Amino acid sequence: SQKIEQNSEALNIQEGKTATLTCNYTNYSPAYLQWYRQDPGRGPVFLLLIRENEKEKRKERLKVTFDTTLKQSLFHITASQPADSATYLCAFHSGGYQKVTFGTGTKLQVIP
Amino acid sequence: GAGVSQSPSNKVTEKGKDVELRCDPISGHTALYWYRQSLGQGLEFLIYFQGNSAPDKSGLPSDRFSAERTGGSVSTLTIQRTQQEDSAVYLCASSLGWGGTSDLTDTQYFGPGTRLTVL
Repeated sequence: SQKIEQNSEALNIQEGKTATLTCNYTNYSPAYLQWYRQDPGRGPVFLLLIRENEKEKRKERLKVTFDTTLKQSLFHITASQPADSATYLCAFHSGGYQKVTFGTGTKLQVIP
Repeated sequence: GAGVSQSPSNKVTEKGKDVELRCDPISGHTALYWYRQSLGQGLEFLIYFQGNSAPDKSGLPSDRFSAERTGGSVSTLTIQRTQQEDSAVYLCASSLGWGGTSDLTDTQYFGPGTRLTVL
């Protein structure tokens, strides 16, 4: 069965640096991947979507890349701020009438 | 309302009792999803609806779990004979649909969740 793997260990980085989070998947490539942010006690909030025919997508300080050869998506936050501290989830969608599969998330802590 | 709402926000029940969790999706959203999230864990997919039908029920943990959606809007997740391992936050999300060319079509908007505690 399809598996989505995110680094379960927390990522601590200094304010101003670029944070890079990894999402790996097994088996077949998704039609698209989504990245969500989740704060404690709240539901996830959508950030970015990247399709299988796209290499990179940007939104303000956020950048997502998608490498179907490596079966990996990278999520970057440039000029990170303490307010970026949260858990970031990737979600795999195979397209059509298929469910979305979420990774377990990576907790990011930006240190002032 | 502007977003997805869920009720109750908190539910404490005794083992063996039945509970009903409610989700009101964003108006016009045809797709609705239920997830479960245990403390410190990722989202566990339970079921999704396209309109009133559920093409995929594979995520329901056991036959004690059931869900329905009426009028293409409100959905109810029912857990019968609750067990302590059912304790978790139950999240609902809705989207315009899926498989569209716009990123927004498949974007899931989540509710605040219902925290279920089974004693």
